[in-house]
Amino acid sequence: GESVGLHLPTLSVQEGDNSIINCAYSNSASDYFIWYKQESGKGPQFIIDIRSNMDKRQGQRVTVLLNKTVKHLSLQIAATQPGDSAVYFCAETRGNSGYALNFGKGTSLLVTP
Amino acid sequence: DAGITQSPRHKVTETGTPVTLRCHQTENHRYMYWYRQDPGHGLRLIHYSYGVKDTDKGEVSDGYSVSRSKTEDFLLTLESATSSQTSVYFCAISDPGRKNTEAFFGQGTRLTVV
Repeated sequence: GESVGLHLPTLSVQEGDNSIINCAYSNSASDYFIWYKQESGKGPQFIIDIRSNMDKRQGQRVTVLLNKTVKHLSLQIAATQPGDSAVYFCAETRGNSGYALNFGKGTSLLVTP
Repeated sequence: DAGITQSPRHKVTETGTPVTLRCHQTENHRYMYWYRQDPGHGLRLIHYSYGVKDTDKGEVSDGYSVSRSKTEDFLLTLESATSSQTSVYFCAISDPGRKNTEAFFGQGTRLTVV
């Protein structure tokens, strides 16, 4: 069954603002948590991951935070751009499942001018 | 799309007919996966393969079978298609030896069972 879930199905932000997309999980045995972005008509694309023993990881304009106490994961996008409009999925994976991804339902991010 | 080709891209078939979807990769990645994506469910794992002739079931494997006779090809078969199998199907590949969290996805196959 589903072990990751997102808090909000849709999020609308203005261009230039920061975006925060949240996700909750239930499986404490996960090895990694990952964020994927899916644009309309395409397959999901890897954004950033975080190992389960870490709290924070930064990439280019993105930061992932992991709070194991409350089993919460977030993706922060700085200076959101129109090209960031997409559906964002959190996922978890474990080595003993062939690193298959267990996805949440997704949050649709809409960036308005 | 990282050298992944799914075929066909679109298919309409009748209930009860067999259907095979093909995923072909040119990346020599060890792991291959089939997911289905439905509104309200996100992506769910059907089957995956961790090597030639090595496969395992995912969360929603009932009604599906897979085969991997070569590293580059992973086939998904619906033995007798049902309307509940109308979905968008994505193939993905990964190489845990390089980066075990980064899966690369194909463009998807939209299957409609009427």
